[in-house]
Amino acid sequence: QQQVKQSPQSLIVQKGGISIINCAYENTAFDYFPWYQQFPGKGPALLIAIRPDVSEKKEGRFTISFNKSAKQFSLHIMDSQPGDSATYFCAASKGYGGSQGNLIFGKGTKLSVKP
Amino acid sequence: DAGVTQSPTHLIKTRGQQVTLRCSPISGHKSVSWYQQVLGQGPQFIFQYYEKEERGRGNFPDRFSARQFPNYSSELNVNALLLGDSALYLCASSPGLAGIYRETQYFGPGTRLLVL
Repeated sequence: QQQVKQSPQSLIVQKGGISIINCAYENTAFDYFPWYQQFPGKGPALLIAIRPDVSEKKEGRFTISFNKSAKQFSLHIMDSQPGDSATYFCAASKGYGGSQGNLIFGKGTKLSVKP
Repeated sequence: DAGVTQSPTHLIKTRGQQVTLRCSPISGHKSVSWYQQVLGQGPQFIFQYYEKEERGRGNFPDRFSARQFPNYSSELNVNALLLGDSALYLCASSPGLAGIYRETQYFGPGTRLLVL
């Protein structure tokens, strides 16, 4: 059972364009939704995170939009740059109960930003 | 400050062997989690340790075990290696018990394990 579904699997965007990656979750107990960026040969690095009490969070060129009723959240990268080319993972975790805090990851989106 | 460090960076083993991977968390962080990332997939949770106690376990066989030391560093052990254990093994640390305090997890660069 895949608890966090991520789309698209790959994305090609022109420099300066907007990159949009979507995720959907099933478990309503999830209460923390981070996005990670991973370059080849490196570990995932936290990009931005949101909690379900807000609908949007913006940090620089990166914005998370969160729709609690639809159980969906998305990452928007404004003014995409070639240096943003990486694999992006959405994740979710719940604060209480067994295996508390462990992150459930989506399968990832490989973003390529063309110059 | 140094981030999460892991050793070794790469490892080649043969089927049936045993392997030990090591992780040092960010200074001041007390919680360590282990994840397995198969090529082309997202990381999958294996273990979480806090104050030397196992606080969570993912859906992995008993061949996988871990421990946390008084200095909060951690080891992941995998026995009777299978070809399917080939993956990037990631360690993540957080200041408190991730979840209850909603602490962010910071990942190390990982150990690339190849089982032949």
